[in-house]
Amino acid sequence: NAGVTQTPKFQVLKTGQSMTLQCAQDMNHEYMSWYRQDPGMGLRLIHYSVGAGITDQGEVPNGYNVSRSTTEDFPLRLLSAAPSQTSVYFCASRPTRDSYEQYFGPGTRLTVT
Amino acid sequence: AQSVAQPEDQVNVAEGNPLTVKCTYSVSGNPYLFWYVQYPNRGLQFLLKYITGDNLVKGSYGFEAEFNKSQTSFHLKKPSALVSDSALYFCAVRDSDQAGTALIFGKGTTLSVSS
Repeated sequence: NAGVTQTPKFQVLKTGQSMTLQCAQDMNHEYMSWYRQDPGMGLRLIHYSVGAGITDQGEVPNGYNVSRSTTEDFPLRLLSAAPSQTSVYFCASRPTRDSYEQYFGPGTRLTVT
Repeated sequence: AQSVAQPEDQVNVAEGNPLTVKCTYSVSGNPYLFWYVQYPNRGLQFLLKYITGDNLVKGSYGFEAEFNKSQTSFHLKKPSALVSDSALYFCAVRDSDQAGTALIFGKGTTLSVSS
């Protein structure tokens, strides 16, 4: 199993551009989520999904959209990038909504200029 | 609402000495508690969890954590630190009484082990 994969690893955007961060898992996990990591802030939840076709907002959802058309994929879309979205983004998954251990991808480092 | 506090931004310890990284939590129900470690430019790796049972839980790389319900704490410990333990450590909590809730993380504690 590849586990949780994320692409790209690095990305530089200009203010106002849009892009999609990709996340995929091959473990048939129902639950997937996106976090952003900022210095001194820890990890903050952006959006999550408890299964295909079901998504919900986390702590910091503004400026981001998600969809979950398949169990495997959970892309994160930045609609109009802003410098405040400069961060490291982590995708995570766990088998079900009630499972304990969560698995993280390697992260995407995004810079918005 | 769930929350996690890691009161120390950084912990410094000499190799071979015991280490403790502190964590306190707040949930309305019973807690599921976790520790994760992040090495530079890497994703988070699971270390250990407390779900129920013994208050002392053992995890990867010789780490253990002690659950204290009265003090709402879940401190990470290791009897003898290694230089290779230097990393960023995150405590996280879920409320077991709210099915499907997200994992909430603390702000992280940087552990620096000197030789």
